[in-house]
Amino acid sequence: AQSVTQLGSHVSVSEGALVLLRCNYSSSVPPYLFWYVQYPNQGLQLLLKYTTGATLVKGINGFEAEFKKSETSFHLTKPSAHMSDAAEYLCAVSAYPGGATNKLIFGTGTLLAVQP
Amino acid sequence: GAVVSQHPSWVICKSGTSVKIECRSLDFQATTMFWYRQFPKQSLMLMATSNEGSKATYEQGVEKDKFLINHASLTLSTLTVTSAHPEDSSFYICSARALRGSSYNEQFFGPGTRLTVL
Repeated sequence: AQSVTQLGSHVSVSEGALVLLRCNYSSSVPPYLFWYVQYPNQGLQLLLKYTTGATLVKGINGFEAEFKKSETSFHLTKPSAHMSDAAEYLCAVSAYPGGATNKLIFGTGTLLAVQP
Repeated sequence: GAVVSQHPSWVICKSGTSVKIECRSLDFQATTMFWYRQFPKQSLMLMATSNEGSKATYEQGVEKDKFLINHASLTLSTLTVTSAHPEDSSFYICSARALRGSSYNEQFFGPGTRLTVL
């Protein structure tokens, strides 16, 4: 079975500070990993994804994540937080090697607050 | 592009009534749509996979007779919660998979529908 654990349901950072959102996964097959962002009253938007190849993945809005197989992690980072980054962030793993074509298993999400 | 809408955005109903939620892909065609449910402080859980022109595939533990899914066209899927009860109160989110183009196979998510059953 596949699962995702997001440590920290709430994270608060100051504007301009480093953002680090943690995601650990469990998968019996090579995983496809995703980070989504959700703003209030809007749908989930794909930030970035890892499928194969380079383990450091760059996404939109200055976010990036690194796939570390030995640590079964896919943490999301951004060097400098902006007020507009305040949102809910969800990590997901694909249950099958088919990536986004197949089932997504989500973590419980992390609510990021950015303080001025 | 790749916008998915849901209607209604929120609904309150009495116990025992049925509620229909629509999911539309506005600017692309989707052969597959997914329905998720999210309870407070819990993960987004896949309920069913909806394929255009065929029966939906339900996840284990999801009652297919209670959650009726109809995917009648390449841009519309509906979820009907029949004889709703308070325990069905939740946040329901759909996603649509693009049929073709650069976003092929990526899932695009709707904004969700908040259902409250009194």
